[in-house]
Amino acid sequence: KAGVTQTPRYLIKTRGQQVTLSCSPISGHRSVSWYQQTPGQGLQFLFEYFSETQRNKGNFPGRFSGRQFSNSRSEMNVSTLELGDSALYLCASSEGTSGGSMFSTDTQYFGPGTRLTVL
Amino acid sequence: QKEVEQDPGPLSVPEGAIVSLNCTYSNSAFQYFMWYRQYSRKGPELLMYTYSSGNKEDGRFTAQVDKSSKYISLFIRDSQPSDSATYLCAMNSTGNQFYFGTGTSLTVIP
Repeated sequence: KAGVTQTPRYLIKTRGQQVTLSCSPISGHRSVSWYQQTPGQGLQFLFEYFSETQRNKGNFPGRFSGRQFSNSRSEMNVSTLELGDSALYLCASSEGTSGGSMFSTDTQYFGPGTRLTVL
Repeated sequence: QKEVEQDPGPLSVPEGAIVSLNCTYSNSAFQYFMWYRQYSRKGPELLMYTYSSGNKEDGRFTAQVDKSSKYISLFIRDSQPSDSATYLCAMNSTGNQFYFGTGTSLTVIP
């Protein structure tokens, strides 16, 4: 199976602009999670989509939003970019079938990430 | 207090050494514990996965969980230069939200 793909791989934007990142999960996976990775904070969970619905959400401001399409592909949007939004944005896909239960054993498979630089 | 704490290193060892990587956590509800390896300019890849306390071995890698101390470890035996990467611990309880450590950078010197 093909792995998780993310586009674009690199992006440079200026403050105040908005950006949309795309993630295509592994075929058959219905859950897509988004993470922000920075040297100081590590990997921080943004949100998770399952069957076109946001199922879990991290502690990020409303400028960060996402959506998932019927083919499980997901997009993440960041509006009014700030310098501190510069980071590697990773998406991870999983089967997602045990999400919400006490016995979640889904393995997450990560894409290569999109490196966003905000100037 | 962060949910998961991990020493960022960097850690530098000679080839063949035993490497010990550790994480502590604060949420006693965590039941699933994972170690990911991340090479430069790549996404993390799952190395080991364990449930609850105990040890799990896979080749040169051993994952250890001590729930009473809220402490997990990853041991790498006979370390190789190809093991040079950043190692991230991760854990979750209910649902699909994972909590990650900040990662430990490891360099294995030939």
